[in-house]
Amino acid sequence: QQQVKQSPQSLIVQKGGISIINCAYENTAFDYFPWYQQFPGKGPALLIAIRPDVSEKKEGRFTISFNKSAKQFSLHIMDSQPGDSATYFCAASRAGSARQLTFGSGTQLTVLP
Amino acid sequence: GAGVSQSPSNKVTEKGKDVELRCDPISGHTALYWYRQRLGQGLEFLIYFQGNSAPDKSGLPSDRFSAERTGESVSTLTIQRTQQEDSAVYLCASYRGGSGNTIYFGEGSWLTVV
Repeated sequence: QQQVKQSPQSLIVQKGGISIINCAYENTAFDYFPWYQQFPGKGPALLIAIRPDVSEKKEGRFTISFNKSAKQFSLHIMDSQPGDSATYFCAASRAGSARQLTFGSGTQLTVLP
Repeated sequence: GAGVSQSPSNKVTEKGKDVELRCDPISGHTALYWYRQRLGQGLEFLIYFQGNSAPDKSGLPSDRFSAERTGESVSTLTIQRTQQEDSAVYLCASYRGGSGNTIYFGEGSWLTVV
């Protein structure tokens, strides 16, 4: 059973545009929602994370929007740059699980120069 | 070390052979995870170690897979009698523990079974 559904599978954006990636989860016990960025040949690296007590978190050009009632969260990349081209994974974990992450299937983002 | 270190970075093996993949976590990190990532897919949880507690093996796909960790140090993931469907990147991650701490991933061991 896939507990975290991610879309789209791939995304192409022009430089300067906004990239939006969406995730939906099923397990209401999840209480930590990170986004990871992965470049080819590298391991995933934490980009930004949110807890369900807030509806939005912003770090630089990256923003997470969180909708607890809809069980959805999204990553917005403002002013997208070619260097943002990577695969992005949403994930979720629940309290007491020692941060055992359940990952979405990933979104391959390409930012055109 | 400064980050999670994995070896080998690449491994090509013949079907039916056994392989061992190694992970050196970040010093002081009590938790260690193994994930599998098939080409173009997400990360699949395999096993989790926390200190000296019994590991959570719930993600291991078959009894051909096993992992060990001594204390809070190195871990070894062993795949016996490898099959072509085992071809994937095997990622190790470590975590210091506590609210808000980050899980850090290594760069993975790329396994190809021919």
